[in-house]
Amino acid sequence: AQKVTQAQTEISVVEKEDVTLDCVYETRDTTYYLFWYKQPPSGELVFLIRRNSFDEQNEISGRYSWNFQKSTSSFNFTITASQVVDSAVYFCALLTGANSKLTFGKGITLSVRP
Amino acid sequence: GAGVSQSPSNKVTEKGKDVELRCDPISGHTALYWYRQRLGQGLEFLIYFQGNSAPDKSGLPSDRFSAERTGESVSTLTIQRTQQEDSAVYLCASSLGERGGVGETQYFGPGTRLLVL
Repeated sequence: AQKVTQAQTEISVVEKEDVTLDCVYETRDTTYYLFWYKQPPSGELVFLIRRNSFDEQNEISGRYSWNFQKSTSSFNFTITASQVVDSAVYFCALLTGANSKLTFGKGITLSVRP
Repeated sequence: GAGVSQSPSNKVTEKGKDVELRCDPISGHTALYWYRQRLGQGLEFLIYFQGNSAPDKSGLPSDRFSAERTGESVSTLTIQRTQQEDSAVYLCASSLGERGGVGETQYFGPGTRLLVL
């Protein structure tokens, strides 16, 4: 069975602070894919990043960076110099190699205060 | 279209009524998914369509839920005899479907907010 745990439920920071969102996953599959989605107040899920289990290279995209560590089954997401527009619910999700159903964590509500 | 579209955006219904929710996937995407998001929760998988293959209905919570897809385009999710616990946001997603959807990025629509009174 697959499981995604986002232990943090709500995070509040002041603008320009850095913030890291944690994600821990469980799967017995050796081939799997990890995703982060952002859900702003409008409700639509916005795709941020996809990583496969064979690629542990960490990535930086502008103010966003991701840290994938298979040894700890973690796929953490960092926003540098946060902005008010980053306020949203962030979901981590897992897709195993055998099927096409995303397993989502419960999400982290990020509030960035001016 | 440019993205996944869903209609209606909001639906209020009375307990016991049937509702139909519509999804238009991204043009060219052959894989289509329905998820449900209850208040304050993550998304739960409901059903998956890939081309002409039999749909994966393993996530449907009861036989009151059903879905159809016309070819590789529009899909309709139907909830019969709605109950208050059906109140949620119903999200549709699509992906290219080149490998049966496995490992592909799913792109989501804005969702339909269903409230059952």
